[in-house]
Amino acid sequence: GQNIDQPTEMTATEGAIVQINCTYQTSGFNGLFWYQQHAGEAPTFLSYNVLDGLEEKGRFSSFLSRSKGYSYLLLKELQMKDSASYLCAVRGIAAGNKLTFGGGTRVLVKP
Amino acid sequence: DGGITQSPKYLFRKEGQNVTLSCEQNLNHDAMYWYRQDPGQGLRLIYYSQIVNDFQKGDIAEGYSVSREKKESFPLTVTSAQKNPTAFYLCASSIEGTGRYEQYFGPGTRLTVT
Repeated sequence: GQNIDQPTEMTATEGAIVQINCTYQTSGFNGLFWYQQHAGEAPTFLSYNVLDGLEEKGRFSSFLSRSKGYSYLLLKELQMKDSASYLCAVRGIAAGNKLTFGGGTRVLVKP
Repeated sequence: DGGITQSPKYLFRKEGQNVTLSCEQNLNHDAMYWYRQDPGQGLRLIYYSQIVNDFQKGDIAEGYSVSREKKESFPLTVTSAQKNPTAFYLCASSIEGTGRYEQYFGPGTRLTVT
């Protein structure tokens, strides 16, 4: 089975940096995804990691350590529009490109 | 424009009635998925299909049924056997395979059963 943990909620100030951690235990690992979801809307893809290290994409970066079962999503220069839930999802080795999602971290950006 | 459509956006039903949620994609993706999301929680997989005329149960398939007669379409039926059907339902699709193939999501259907 798969188990994915991430904090429920975080608060940060506009212009600051926030780091959202995700730890996972899986029977096999074949990639980790981060999605952003605004309230009442569909998740949208942010990043993908399959090898150890940091992937940077503009203000967002994602890090993976497979040996530690750990990832984080780093949001820099926070903007009010970054207030959303951030979902960590792990793909196992079973067929079907299936993802197992964590509960999501709700980030609130304050002025 | 390519994408995934779900209809309707809001759906209200009385307890004991079956209801079918539609999902259509024109991305030419082989794989399609149905998820359920409850308030403040992550996504849980109901059913998925890797190819036409084939589908597999996800983690919470009880009380749901699906069909995949066409590549573009993957409707979900919420039956009266589903004990707690009120939720936000999301359909997704992806290229089949284990490369950097993210899932694309439709806008969702919010189902309320009273």
